[in-house]
Amino acid sequence: NAGVTQTPKFQVLKTGQSMTLQCAQDMNHEYMSWYRQDPGMGLRLIHYSVGAGITDQGEVPNGYNVSRSTTEDFPLRLLSAAPSQTSVYFCASSYSPSGRSSSYEQYFGPGTRLTVT
Amino acid sequence: AQSVTQLDSQVPVFEEAPVELRCNYSSSVSVYLFWYVQYPNQGLQLLLKYLSGSTLVKGINGFEAEFNKSQTSFHLRKPSVHISDTAEYFCAVGSGGTSYGKLTFGQGTILTVHP
Repeated sequence: NAGVTQTPKFQVLKTGQSMTLQCAQDMNHEYMSWYRQDPGMGLRLIHYSVGAGITDQGEVPNGYNVSRSTTEDFPLRLLSAAPSQTSVYFCASSYSPSGRSSSYEQYFGPGTRLTVT
Repeated sequence: AQSVTQLDSQVPVFEEAPVELRCNYSSSVSVYLFWYVQYPNQGLQLLLKYLSGSTLVKGINGFEAEFNKSQTSFHLRKPSVHISDTAEYFCAVGSGGTSYGKLTFGQGTILTVHP
């Protein structure tokens, strides 16, 4: 298993540009989440999904869109990048709490480091 | 709503000394607690978790943590640290129901182990 994969690893954008951060998992996890990590603030939840076709907002959703058309993929879209979105972005996945394999653990990808100038 | 406070932003310690990284949480419902470690330029790796049962939980790399419900704490300890333990450590809280899958993280504690 590759686990949770994220592309790209690094990205530099100009203010106003749009882009999509890719996230994929091959563990058949129902739940997927996007977090951003900023110094001194830990990780904050942007959006999450409990299954294909179902998404919801987290703590800091403004400026980001998500969709989940398959169990495996959960892309994060920046519609019009702003310097405040400079951050490291982590995707995570986990089993449903009702699943027999559930351990309540979230598995994290390696992250995407985004700089907006 | 739930929140996590890691009481120390940086903890310097000498090799082979004991260490405690402190974590307090607040929540109105039953919680699950986690400690994650992040080595430089890497993702997060689970150290240990508390779901239920014994309040003392053991994790990887010789770390352990104790869940204290009355003090709403989940402090991480290691009796003897190594240089390789230098990393940032995050405490996180989760809960069930509609909040399952949404972790709330603390601000992080940078552990630096000196020779």
